[in-house]
Amino acid sequence: DQQVKQNSPSLSVQEGRISILNCDYTNSMFDYFLWYKKYPAEGPTFLISISSIKDKNEDGRFTVFLNKSAKHLSLHIVPSQPGDSAVYFCAASDGVSGGGADGLTFGKGTHLIIQP
Amino acid sequence: NAGVTQTPKFRVLKTGQSMTLLCAQDMNHEYMYWYRQDPGMGLRLIHYSVGEGTTAKGEVPDGYNVSRLKKQNFLLGLESAAPSQTSVYFCATNQYSNQPQHFGDGTRLSIL
Repeated sequence: DQQVKQNSPSLSVQEGRISILNCDYTNSMFDYFLWYKKYPAEGPTFLISISSIKDKNEDGRFTVFLNKSAKHLSLHIVPSQPGDSAVYFCAASDGVSGGGADGLTFGKGTHLIIQP
Repeated sequence: NAGVTQTPKFRVLKTGQSMTLLCAQDMNHEYMYWYRQDPGMGLRLIHYSVGEGTTAKGEVPDGYNVSRLKKQNFLLGLESAAPSQTSVYFCATNQYSNQPQHFGDGTRLSIL
């Protein structure tokens, strides 16, 4: 049973517009959420995170929103740039309350394509 | 990805062969993790370690063993490789479990 779901395998957005990537989770014990970006032949790179005590976290062009009641989070990228083309993974853990030492649970990823 | 080095980067094995993947980190992090990524899938946790001398099973531990004899190294072993273990293996580390994990660039392993 997938505990973290990214239902869009791919997303195409025009350069300069907003990219919105979505993620749903089922495990109510998750309290720490992260987004990673991955280029081919490289490891995932940490982008932004949010703990369950917040509903929004912003870092430059990247904003993550968390809706705990809906068990949904989203990543907004504004404005989208060609270098943003990559696979984006949503990940979750019980890192705050449960220690999180048993690692991250990942979604399957969304391939974001920024078109010129 | 500075700080986490995986060796080797590529390897082809025959079914039944054994090998060890090495993860080395220079950030003095306590926690280390091994994940595998298969096509169209997210990363899945194989084993992890919460400190030198400790190891624990993750989501998909069968067919793998690990050791953490030194704080900076985390080894993943395949005793008898099977085609189902063809995958890309990623190592990750963090200092505290509720912090982002830092990943290496992966080892691409093919088992024929």
